[in-house]
Amino acid sequence: EDQVTQSPEALRLQEGESSSLNCSYTVSGLRGLFWYRQDPGKGPEFLFTLYSAGEEKEKERLKATLTKKESFLHITAPKPEDSATYLCAIRPLFGGATNKLIFGTGTLLAVQP
Amino acid sequence: DVKVTQSSRYLVKRTGEKVFLECVQDMDHENMFWYRQDPGLGLRLIYFSYDVKMKEKGDIPEGYSVSREKKERFSLILESASTNQTSMYLCASRPGLANEQYFGPGTRLTVT
Repeated sequence: EDQVTQSPEALRLQEGESSSLNCSYTVSGLRGLFWYRQDPGKGPEFLFTLYSAGEEKEKERLKATLTKKESFLHITAPKPEDSATYLCAIRPLFGGATNKLIFGTGTLLAVQP
Repeated sequence: DVKVTQSSRYLVKRTGEKVFLECVQDMDHENMFWYRQDPGLGLRLIYFSYDVKMKEKGDIPEGYSVSREKKERFSLILESASTNQTSMYLCASRPGLANEQYFGPGTRLTVT
């Protein structure tokens, strides 16, 4: 069964304290892996798409990496405005599920000044 | 910029009422989606549409129906609202050949 597991559920960091969020996935074939940011009461905002193992994408303080079993979202020197829930999703390559995204339950990140 | 809008940010309805949630996208995207988001369960797909008048069930279609009469508009209908349909409802759209989905701001629906 295709599925996504994110860890930790919640993470509290001090401003400037770098860390990583994990997204583990199982899928028979991967069309793409996606990272989204979601602020409270709002819709998810697209951050990155990764397609193959070894790929990396960067945006400001965020860097996403991909292996055959997991993805990491590295946050370097975070600021309070990086506080949000970060969602990971996969799009399967095969089968009836290929039209949809399968989401993890997210990591709630709080960055304290 | 891709823009997906939803008709209401907050909605309060009574049990048994018929509820319409509307979603509009301005980027000529072929695919549109309705999700609900609940704490601890993540985003779950209710229905999606890959063309006008075309629809497919997602993971949790029971109690919902959809309508897509125009390419830019995708409506979610709760035929008879129940308290277990209290949730955040999110609409998304995606161009035909792309992978990324773009989300609207969400509608927080409370059924009392």
